Amino acid sequence: SAVISQKPSRDICQRGTSLTIQCQVDSQVTMMFWYRQQPGQSLTLIATANQGSEATYESGFVIDKFPISRPNLTFSTLTVSNLSPEDSSIYLCSVEVEGAATDTQYFGPGTRLTVL
Amino acid sequence: GQNIDQPTEMTATEGAIVQINCTYQTSGFNGLFWYQQHAGEAPTFLSYNVLDGLEEKGRFSSFLSRSKGYSYLLLKELQMKDSASYLCAVPDQTGANNLFFGTGTRLTVIP
Repeated sequence: SAVISQKPSRDICQRGTSLTIQCQVDSQVTMMFWYRQQPGQSLTLIATANQGSEATYESGFVIDKFPISRPNLTFSTLTVSNLSPEDSSIYLCSVEVEGAATDTQYFGPGTRLTVL
Repeated sequence: GQNIDQPTEMTATEGAIVQINCTYQTSGFNGLFWYQQHAGEAPTFLSYNVLDGLEEKGRFSSFLSRSKGYSYLLLKELQMKDSASYLCAVPDQTGANNLFFGTGTRLTVIP
C-alpha cells in the first residue's frame, strides 16, 4: 500500500477565488489521479497527473478550471480555479501501487471544499 | 460505454449476513474492485476479482461471474462499524489506469 496525505483537509472559500490542494505520497509512484466526490455521489475522475507532462483530463474537465502540477513521482497539486458554489465537493487524490495480483489504487484522505 | 449498477441503500442487522450486488457493462474486462467508504473518509480497498468465483478475506468475501457481468460483496457477522458505503469499480475501458466507480451502496447496520 501507500501512505497518502492531502493538504488542506478542508477549506471554506469565497466565490471567484482559487484553492490549491496538495497530495504527497510516501513512495515514488507512476500513476496519480485526482477525483471529485460531490455530496451523496460516487467518485468522478477529474484527471490523471502525469510526471513531466501535462495532465490528462476527462470529459467535462478542463485545464483552465483544474490546473494540475506533478513535479516529481511523490507529489502533485490540483487547483480549483474561479470557484463557484457548484465546486463544493470532496477532492481526492489517489495513487496506483503494483501488487501481486493487480495494480491497486489507494486514496488520500480527501479535501472537503465549501464555496460560499 | 461503461455502466455499473448497485442498490442505493441497504439495511441489515448486527450479526447477520448481507450481500451487496453489482452488475457492470464494460468492454475488455480487466477485473473488478470493491472499496469501503465510511462517511467523511476516503475509500479503502477491500477486494479485487478477475477470475470467476469467490474470494474470501475474513468476514468479507467477493464473488465474480464474468459471463453474467455480476459481482457481489458478502459481509458476514455484521458489526456496527460496517455501516459505510460500498463502491464497485472497474478499470476504465479507455485503457488508462484509472477506475470507473458505481454510485455505491450505503449500508446501515442496526442493532
